[in-house]
Amino acid sequence: ETGVTQTPRHLVMGMTNKKSLKCEQHLGHNAMYWYKQSAKKPLELMFVYSLEERVENNSVPSRFSPECPNSSHLFLHLHTLQPEDSALYLCASSQDGHFNEKLFFGSGTQLSVL
Amino acid sequence: QKEVEQNSGPLSVPEGAIASLNCTYSDRGSQSFFWYRQYSGKSPELIMFIYSNGDKEDGRFTAQLNKASQYVSLLIRDSQPSDSATYLCAVRRGNTGFQKLVFGTGTRLLVSP
Repeated sequence: ETGVTQTPRHLVMGMTNKKSLKCEQHLGHNAMYWYKQSAKKPLELMFVYSLEERVENNSVPSRFSPECPNSSHLFLHLHTLQPEDSALYLCASSQDGHFNEKLFFGSGTQLSVL
Repeated sequence: QKEVEQNSGPLSVPEGAIASLNCTYSDRGSQSFFWYRQYSGKSPELIMFIYSNGDKEDGRFTAQLNKASQYVSLLIRDSQPSDSATYLCAVRRGNTGFQKLVFGTGTRLLVSP
Protein backbone atom coordinates (compact mmCIF):
# COMPACT_ATOMS: atom_id res chain seq x y z
CA GLU A 1 0.00 0.00 0.00
CA THR A 2 1.70 3.20 -1.15
CA GLY A 3 -0.83 5.61 0.34
CA VAL A 4 -2.00 6.67 -3.13
CA THR A 5 -5.04 4.83 -4.44
CA GLN A 6 -6.22 4.95 -8.04
CA THR A 7 -9.47 3.67 -9.50
CA PRO A 8 -10.30 1.99 -11.74
CA ARG A 9 -7.25 -0.23 -12.35
CA HIS A 10 -8.33 -0.95 -15.91
CA LEU A 11 -10.62 0.99 -18.24
CA VAL A 12 -11.76 0.31 -21.77
CA MET A 13 -13.66 3.08 -23.49
CA GLY A 14 -14.88 4.03 -26.90
CA MET A 15 -13.88 7.27 -28.56
CA THR A 16 -17.24 8.88 -27.82
CA ASN A 17 -17.43 7.90 -24.15
CA LYS A 18 -16.90 10.09 -21.13
CA LYS A 19 -15.16 8.59 -18.13
CA SER A 20 -13.22 9.75 -15.10
CA LEU A 21 -10.12 8.48 -13.33
CA LYS A 22 -9.93 8.94 -9.58
CA CYS A 23 -6.94 9.32 -7.30
CA GLU A 24 -6.90 9.60 -3.52
CA GLN A 25 -3.87 10.13 -1.30
CA HIS A 26 -3.85 9.33 2.40
CA LEU A 27 -0.44 10.89 3.12
CA GLY A 28 -1.35 14.48 3.92
CA HIS A 29 0.60 15.74 0.92
CA ASN A 30 0.15 19.16 -0.66
CA ALA A 31 0.90 18.40 -4.31
CA MET A 32 -0.71 15.90 -6.67
CA TYR A 33 0.28 14.94 -10.20
CA TRP A 34 -1.02 13.14 -13.27
CA TYR A 35 1.55 11.31 -15.40
CA LYS A 36 1.05 9.38 -18.63
CA GLN A 37 3.18 6.32 -19.39
CA SER A 38 3.07 4.95 -22.94
CA ALA A 39 5.01 2.00 -24.25
CA LYS A 40 8.62 2.89 -25.10
CA LYS A 41 8.11 6.51 -24.07
CA PRO A 42 9.21 8.26 -20.89
CA LEU A 43 6.77 9.17 -18.16
CA GLU A 44 5.15 12.42 -19.24
CA LEU A 45 3.98 14.96 -16.71
CA MET A 46 0.45 16.10 -17.57
CA PHE A 47 -0.84 18.20 -14.70
CA VAL A 48 0.25 19.35 -11.27
CA TYR A 49 -1.89 20.66 -8.45
CA SER A 50 -0.30 22.36 -5.47
CA LEU A 51 -2.57 23.21 -2.57
CA GLU A 52 -5.56 22.51 -4.84
CA GLU A 53 -4.42 25.05 -7.43
CA ARG A 54 -3.35 23.91 -10.88
CA VAL A 55 0.26 25.01 -11.29
CA GLU A 56 1.28 23.04 -14.35
CA ASN A 57 -0.47 22.06 -17.57
CA ASN A 58 2.01 20.45 -19.91
CA SER A 59 0.33 21.25 -23.24
CA VAL A 60 -2.21 18.51 -22.67
CA PRO A 61 -5.14 18.32 -25.13
CA SER A 62 -8.43 19.62 -23.81
CA ARG A 63 -10.01 16.17 -24.04
CA PHE A 64 -8.21 15.61 -20.71
CA SER A 65 -9.67 17.72 -17.92
CA PRO A 66 -8.26 17.55 -14.38
CA GLU A 67 -10.09 18.41 -11.20
CA CYS A 68 -8.78 18.74 -7.65
CA PRO A 69 -11.67 19.35 -5.24
CA ASN A 70 -9.41 19.09 -2.16
CA SER A 71 -5.82 18.22 -1.31
CA SER A 72 -6.60 14.50 -0.99
CA HIS A 73 -8.47 13.91 -4.24
CA LEU A 74 -7.59 14.29 -7.88
CA PHE A 75 -9.66 13.41 -10.92
CA LEU A 76 -8.92 13.16 -14.62
CA HIS A 77 -12.03 13.55 -16.76
CA LEU A 78 -11.80 11.99 -20.19
CA HIS A 79 -13.93 12.68 -23.25
CA THR A 80 -13.69 12.00 -26.99
CA LEU A 81 -10.33 10.31 -26.58
CA GLN A 82 -8.22 8.94 -29.41
CA PRO A 83 -6.66 5.46 -29.69
CA GLU A 84 -3.21 7.02 -29.16
CA ASP A 85 -4.37 8.06 -25.68
CA SER A 86 -4.23 4.41 -24.63
CA ALA A 87 -1.61 4.28 -21.88
CA LEU A 88 -1.01 3.82 -18.18
CA TYR A 89 -2.13 6.89 -16.25
CA LEU A 90 -0.32 7.35 -12.98
CA CYS A 91 -1.25 9.62 -10.12
CA ALA A 92 1.41 10.76 -7.69
CA SER A 93 1.70 12.99 -4.65
CA SER A 94 4.47 14.78 -2.76
CA GLN A 95 4.67 16.77 0.44
CA ASP A 96 5.89 20.19 -0.64
CA GLY A 97 8.24 19.90 -3.59
CA HIS A 98 11.52 20.06 -1.70
CA PHE A 99 14.42 19.47 -4.07
CA ASN A 100 15.13 15.92 -2.93
CA GLU A 101 11.58 14.93 -2.25
CA LYS A 102 10.09 11.62 -3.17
CA LEU A 103 7.08 11.17 -5.41
CA PHE A 104 4.61 8.55 -4.20
CA PHE A 105 2.88 6.88 -7.13
CA GLY A 106 -0.43 5.08 -7.24
CA SER A 107 -0.81 1.75 -9.04
CA GLY A 108 -2.14 3.43 -12.15
CA THR A 109 -5.11 3.06 -14.47
CA GLN A 110 -4.44 1.10 -17.65
CA LEU A 111 -6.58 2.82 -20.26
CA SER A 112 -7.51 1.35 -23.63
CA VAL A 113 -9.34 3.52 -26.15
CA LEU A 114 -11.08 1.59 -28.92
CA GLN B 1 17.99 15.79 -28.17
CA LYS B 2 15.99 14.21 -25.37
CA GLU B 3 16.19 15.91 -21.99
CA VAL B 4 17.03 12.66 -20.22
CA GLU B 5 18.55 9.76 -22.12
CA GLN B 6 18.92 6.16 -21.09
CA ASN B 7 19.77 2.99 -22.97
CA SER B 8 16.58 0.94 -23.05
CA GLY B 9 18.44 -2.35 -22.67
CA PRO B 10 17.86 -5.00 -21.64
CA LEU B 11 21.01 -5.07 -19.58
CA SER B 12 21.67 -8.67 -18.62
CA VAL B 13 23.95 -9.54 -15.68
CA PRO B 14 24.48 -12.74 -13.72
CA GLU B 15 23.48 -12.96 -10.10
CA GLY B 16 26.15 -11.51 -7.83
CA ALA B 17 27.60 -9.20 -10.48
CA ILE B 18 27.62 -5.39 -10.52
CA ALA B 19 24.96 -3.80 -12.71
CA SER B 20 25.81 -0.36 -14.07
CA LEU B 21 22.99 1.85 -15.33
CA ASN B 22 23.70 5.13 -17.05
CA CYS B 23 21.81 8.34 -17.75
CA THR B 24 22.68 11.63 -19.43
CA TYR B 25 20.75 14.88 -19.26
CA SER B 26 20.72 18.00 -21.38
CA ASP B 27 19.83 20.82 -18.96
CA ARG B 28 23.09 21.97 -17.40
CA GLY B 29 21.17 23.83 -14.71
CA SER B 30 19.58 20.66 -13.30
CA GLN B 31 20.10 20.28 -9.58
CA SER B 32 18.52 17.04 -8.37
CA PHE B 33 18.62 13.57 -9.83
CA PHE B 34 16.60 10.49 -9.00
CA TRP B 35 16.54 6.79 -9.71
CA TYR B 36 13.17 5.06 -9.65
CA ARG B 37 12.63 1.34 -9.99
CA GLN B 38 9.55 0.00 -11.76
CA TYR B 39 8.64 -3.66 -11.69
CA SER B 40 6.54 -4.93 -14.57
CA GLY B 41 2.91 -3.96 -14.04
CA LYS B 42 3.72 -1.87 -10.99
CA SER B 43 4.22 1.81 -10.28
CA PRO B 44 7.65 3.49 -9.95
CA GLU B 45 9.28 3.67 -6.51
CA LEU B 46 12.20 5.87 -5.50
CA ILE B 47 15.42 4.06 -4.67
CA MET B 48 18.02 6.85 -4.73
CA PHE B 49 18.43 10.59 -5.17
CA ILE B 50 21.61 12.63 -5.52
CA TYR B 51 22.34 16.33 -5.89
CA SER B 52 26.08 16.70 -5.23
CA ASN B 53 28.92 15.65 -7.50
CA GLY B 54 30.46 12.35 -6.51
CA ASP B 55 29.09 9.13 -5.10
CA LYS B 56 26.22 8.39 -2.75
CA GLU B 57 25.85 4.93 -1.31
CA ASP B 58 22.80 3.24 0.19
CA GLY B 59 23.19 -0.47 0.85
CA ARG B 60 23.88 -2.26 -2.43
CA PHE B 61 23.09 0.87 -4.45
CA THR B 62 25.52 3.65 -5.38
CA ALA B 63 24.47 6.73 -7.33
CA GLN B 64 27.20 8.69 -9.12
CA LEU B 65 26.84 12.23 -10.40
CA ASN B 66 29.14 14.19 -12.69
CA LYS B 67 27.59 17.57 -13.45
CA ALA B 68 30.41 18.65 -15.76
CA SER B 69 29.70 15.67 -18.00
CA GLN B 70 25.94 15.81 -17.32
CA TYR B 71 26.00 12.17 -16.38
CA VAL B 72 24.29 10.16 -13.65
CA SER B 73 24.76 6.49 -12.99
CA LEU B 74 23.43 3.82 -10.68
CA LEU B 75 25.52 0.85 -9.59
CA ILE B 76 23.88 -2.20 -8.07
CA ARG B 77 26.34 -4.47 -6.29
CA ASP B 78 25.69 -8.17 -5.70
CA SER B 79 22.77 -8.09 -8.15
CA GLN B 80 19.86 -10.35 -7.29
CA PRO B 81 17.11 -11.74 -9.54
CA SER B 82 14.71 -9.56 -7.52
CA ASP B 83 16.54 -6.51 -8.92
CA SER B 84 15.16 -7.36 -12.38
CA ALA B 85 13.06 -4.32 -13.24
CA THR B 86 13.12 -1.13 -15.29
CA TYR B 87 15.20 1.66 -13.78
CA LEU B 88 14.03 5.19 -14.52
CA CYS B 89 16.37 8.15 -14.32
CA ALA B 90 14.65 11.45 -13.49
CA VAL B 91 15.90 15.01 -13.34
CA ARG B 92 14.23 17.81 -11.44
CA ARG B 93 13.40 20.75 -13.63
CA GLY B 94 13.23 24.26 -12.22
CA ASN B 95 13.02 25.49 -8.66
CA THR B 96 9.30 25.37 -8.03
CA GLY B 97 7.22 24.48 -5.03
CA PHE B 98 6.43 21.07 -6.45
CA GLN B 99 8.47 18.16 -7.74
CA LYS B 100 8.63 18.66 -11.52
CA LEU B 101 10.57 15.67 -12.82
CA VAL B 102 11.60 14.79 -16.36
CA PHE B 103 12.04 11.05 -16.81
CA GLY B 104 14.08 8.95 -19.18
CA THR B 105 12.57 5.98 -20.97
CA GLY B 106 14.20 3.60 -18.49
CA THR B 107 16.71 0.77 -18.69
CA ARG B 108 15.43 -2.75 -18.30
CA LEU B 109 17.70 -4.86 -16.08
CA LEU B 110 17.63 -8.66 -16.13
CA VAL B 111 19.52 -10.53 -13.43
CA SER B 112 19.86 -14.22 -14.17
CA PRO B 113 20.25 -16.80 -11.36
